[in-house]
Amino acid sequence: GENVEQHPSTLSVQEGDSAVIKCTYSDSASNYFPWYKQELGKGPQLIIDIRSNVGEKKDQRIAVTLNKTAKHFSLHITETQPEDSAVYFCAANQFYFGTGTSLTVIP
Amino acid sequence: EPEVTQTPSHQVTQMGQEVILRCVPISNHLYFYWYRQILGQKVEFLVSFYNNEISEKSEIFDDQFSVERPDGSNFTLKIRSTKLEDSAMYFCASSFGGIANQPQHFGDGTRLSIL
Repeated sequence: GENVEQHPSTLSVQEGDSAVIKCTYSDSASNYFPWYKQELGKGPQLIIDIRSNVGEKKDQRIAVTLNKTAKHFSLHITETQPEDSAVYFCAANQFYFGTGTSLTVIP
Repeated sequence: EPEVTQTPSHQVTQMGQEVILRCVPISNHLYFYWYRQILGQKVEFLVSFYNNEISEKSEIFDDQFSVERPDGSNFTLKIRSTKLEDSAMYFCASSFGGIANQPQHFGDGTRLSIL
C-alpha cells in the first residue's frame, strides 16, 4: 500500500514569515494529493489539493507543489498569521495520511 | 455551508460492550467514509461505502467493525466487543464523487473512550 511521510513534525514561525511542509509518497500510481488543516477538537478540513497532471496550485496565501518524478509534494503558506496555527496533514489518494505537522505562528 | 455531523461527540463505553457511532453526511453526497485517529497520531482510513456496500476497507477494519446506512440520511459505524485499543477519535467523511479522488468533507468526530 501507499506510505506517506511528512516533515517536519513541528514548525514554529514568526508571524508574517513563510512556512513549508513537505511530504513524500511511495506509490507512483498515486494521483491526488490533498492537504488538511486540523484545529483542536475539530475534524480535518481540506485547504487545498493537487492532482498529478499539474505541478503547482495556488489559493491566496497557500500553494502546493508536486514533483511526480521525485514523489514529493509540499505545502507553502506565505504571510503566516496566528490563525494559521494548527496541525496540517498531507495525504495521497484520499486515504493515506501523513503523520502531521504542528504549526505554531508566533505573533 | 453543508456539514457532516457526528453524534455523540464523546462516548464512554466499558470494554467488551458494543458501540454505535452515528454520522449524517452531506445530503447530496454519495460516498461515505470512516477514519480513526488515535491521540497524537495520524488519521487512519477504516472503510469507504457506496451504493449500500463497502467499496474499500483497510486492515484495521476487521470483523469487529461494521457499517450501515440504515436510512436515507444516517451512516453508522458499529464496533462489537470493544477493546481498550479502540479508544480514539472516529471521523466520518463524505464526498460527492468517489474513490476517483474527490474532496472529502469531515465531521468533527466522536471521541471514543473504552474503560
